[in-house]
Amino acid sequence: EIVLTQSPGTLSLSPGERATLSCRASQSVSSTFLAWYQHKTGQAPRLLIYGASSRATGIPDRFSGSGSGTDFTLTINRLEPEDFAVYYCHQYGSSPQTFGLGTKVEIK
Amino acid sequence: QLQLQQSGPGLVNPSETLSLTCIVSDGSISSSDYYWGWVRQPPGKGLEWIGSVYYSGTSYYNPSLKSRVSPSVDRSKNQLSLKLRSVTAADTAVYYCARGTFYYDSGTYLRGPLDFWGQGTLVTVSS
Repeated sequence: EIVLTQSPGTLSLSPGERATLSCRASQSVSSTFLAWYQHKTGQAPRLLIYGASSRATGIPDRFSGSGSGTDFTLTINRLEPEDFAVYYCHQYGSSPQTFGLGTKVEIK
Repeated sequence: QLQLQQSGPGLVNPSETLSLTCIVSDGSISSSDYYWGWVRQPPGKGLEWIGSVYYSGTSYYNPSLKSRVSPSVDRSKNQLSLKLRSVTAADTAVYYCARGTFYYDSGTYLRGPLDFWGQGTLVTVSS
């Protein structure tokens, strides 16, 4: 099973700042099968990025993904108030599919 | 527009079977361009993949649940179902159904991630 380790656990930032979230895999992940989700309490998770760097339909361009192998990054430029949430990385190429434990982006 | 309407019991007794359904509103359940998955989130914890079902009928399960879980698709009812047997308190979670999409990239047909999720159903295992 591929373990995804996300860091930091919590990121305290102000609106307008940049958020950089890390996801490190215990073994190499094909970038084709690495995704990022945004999750707010009481809501369905929202797909942001798939294939490590492709934005899902309707996702603003302030969200970007990068990385390969075992190290992946989600960057949120110019945080908007609605961006404060928990973010999960997810590998869906190897079974069992696995998620990281999440990074909470909170208002400073 | 796709809607995934989830329903379930809310409360299940330990050792019994948890049964969840998910109604797919737009007919995409009958298309081979999509596959279907279940994910859960225990209180205060992260997301856990339960399993996925493909148009061909092939299913993949999380080994941690494999012997107890039975996802299925009923296209005549536009419905996904999940049964989890012999539940314990550790199975208390919000359960999500979700749809994944296949897509072409540079001529290659690829499986995308779960890109549309239901709102989730909280299931508590307790006597």
